[in-house]
Amino acid sequence: AQSVTQPDIHITVSEGASLELRCNYSYGATPYLFWYVQSPGQGLQLLLKYFSGDTLVQGIKGFEAEFKRSQSSFNLRKPSVHWSDAAEYFCAVTNNAGNMLTFGGGTRLMVKP
Amino acid sequence: DAGVIQSPRHEVTEMGQEVTLRCKPISGHDYLFWYRQTMMRGLELLIYFNNNVPIDDSGMPEDRFSAKMPNASFSTLKIQPSEPRDSAVYFCASSSSHWGQHWGDTEAFFGQGTRLTVV
Repeated sequence: AQSVTQPDIHITVSEGASLELRCNYSYGATPYLFWYVQSPGQGLQLLLKYFSGDTLVQGIKGFEAEFKRSQSSFNLRKPSVHWSDAAEYFCAVTNNAGNMLTFGGGTRLMVKP
Repeated sequence: DAGVIQSPRHEVTEMGQEVTLRCKPISGHDYLFWYRQTMMRGLELLIYFNNNVPIDDSGMPEDRFSAKMPNASFSTLKIQPSEPRDSAVYFCASSSSHWGQHWGDTEAFFGQGTRLTVV
């Protein structure tokens, strides 16, 4: 069965600092990986996704993620965090039919001024 | 398209009452998913449909929960009778299985959720 682990429940960074959110997955075949962001009281918005090809994926809002098969990881990064990035971030994996999206527990990001 | 539309946005009900949550997927999408989000358990897939047919309901917690999709543009999640532990945010999402020009065009689009409080 597929699963996703986000080791960090909470992360606090200063505005302007770099960010890396960790995600590890377990899946028997080639994974399809996603990062979603959820602002308070809102639904989930897709930041980026990886299906194949270049292992460094660019997303919206200046985010990127790198797929590392050897480490079963898909960490999310941003070079300089803005206060508006404060939200909860979810990593997810799905099978190749795209119909079994499994989420990690989420990482809540807080940004200090 | 207006995206996935859920109603109501907020629902407060008394224990024992029936609750019905509604979802309108994005037009043309053939997959529809119901998720529940709680602090304790995070995002859980409850059930999903393909072409209006329930495919996997193994995530439905109890017989008190039921979901229907009478047509391609509407789905309901019903809880009867409701209990305080059902309090959560319920999300509906939809996606398309049709291959785009590049494999990987598919993704799940989420509604804004229904916050259910059972008192």
